[in-house]
Amino acid sequence: EVQLVQSGAEVKKPGESLKISCKGSGYIFTSYWIGWVRQMPGKGLEWMGIIYPGDSDTRYSPSFQGQVTISADKSISSAHLQWSGLKTSDTAMYFCATVSGPGDSADYWGQGTLVTVSA
Amino acid sequence: QSVLTQSPSASGTPGQRITISCSGSSSNIGSNYVFWYQQLPGTAPKLLIYRNNQRPSGVPDRFSGSKSGTSASLAISGLRSEDEADYYCAAWDDSLSGVVFGGGTKLTVL
Repeated sequence: EVQLVQSGAEVKKPGESLKISCKGSGYIFTSYWIGWVRQMPGKGLEWMGIIYPGDSDTRYSPSFQGQVTISADKSISSAHLQWSGLKTSDTAMYFCATVSGPGDSADYWGQGTLVTVSA
Repeated sequence: QSVLTQSPSASGTPGQRITISCSGSSSNIGSNYVFWYQQLPGTAPKLLIYRNNQRPSGVPDRFSGSKSGTSASLAISGLRSEDEADYYCAAWDDSLSGVVFGGGTKLTVL
C-alpha cells in the first residue's frame, strides 16, 4: 500500500528556518515524482513544485520559486520542503503527494503538515 | 485567482445528480489530463478521478468525469450526505511546467 507520512505540526516565529518532511513507503520511491501543495486557512490548493527523487530534478511553480527549497533524500525515501526565513503568510497546511510525472497530477497524498508562523 | 475556473458552490438533494464544471485553456486542460479531488473538512484531498475519466479502485461509480476541449466536468449521481465536501479539478500546465488547480467547489447536500 502506497503511503506518504508527513512530519508533525510546527509553530515558528517570523524569520526562523524550517524543514518539513514526507516519507514514502509501499512503492519504489525513486520512480515517482513528489509534489508539494499549499493550502492556506480557508483557501484552495496551490501547487508549489515537484521533485524526482531518482535524480533530484526539481521544478518550482513561479509563485514559489526562490521562496522555498524542495529536496529529496532517496536513502531514507523522504522528500523535504524548507524555508530559510519564515513569514506569517507562510502559515498554512502543506501536503506532499506522489505524481507519475510531468503531464500528470497528484494521486497519493500525505496527511498534511500544519505550519503556524506567529510572533 | 486560480488558473482553472470552477463555480464556488453547488448544491443538491439526496438522490439527485449534479455536475461540477472546470474551465481552463489550451496549455492545461486542452492538452493534458484532468484530475478531480474530494476534500472532506480537515482532511487531505483524495483522488476521485484521474486521466479525465478513470476512477481509482474504491471510488464508487456514482462519480464520473468527462473532458471536452478546454473544459471538464465531474458528475455525481445518487447524491448522498457524505458527498458534502470541497471538490477541486487539476491539470498539468505546459506553460507553467506544473500542476494548476481550480479554486474549488463547495458541495452542499440539502
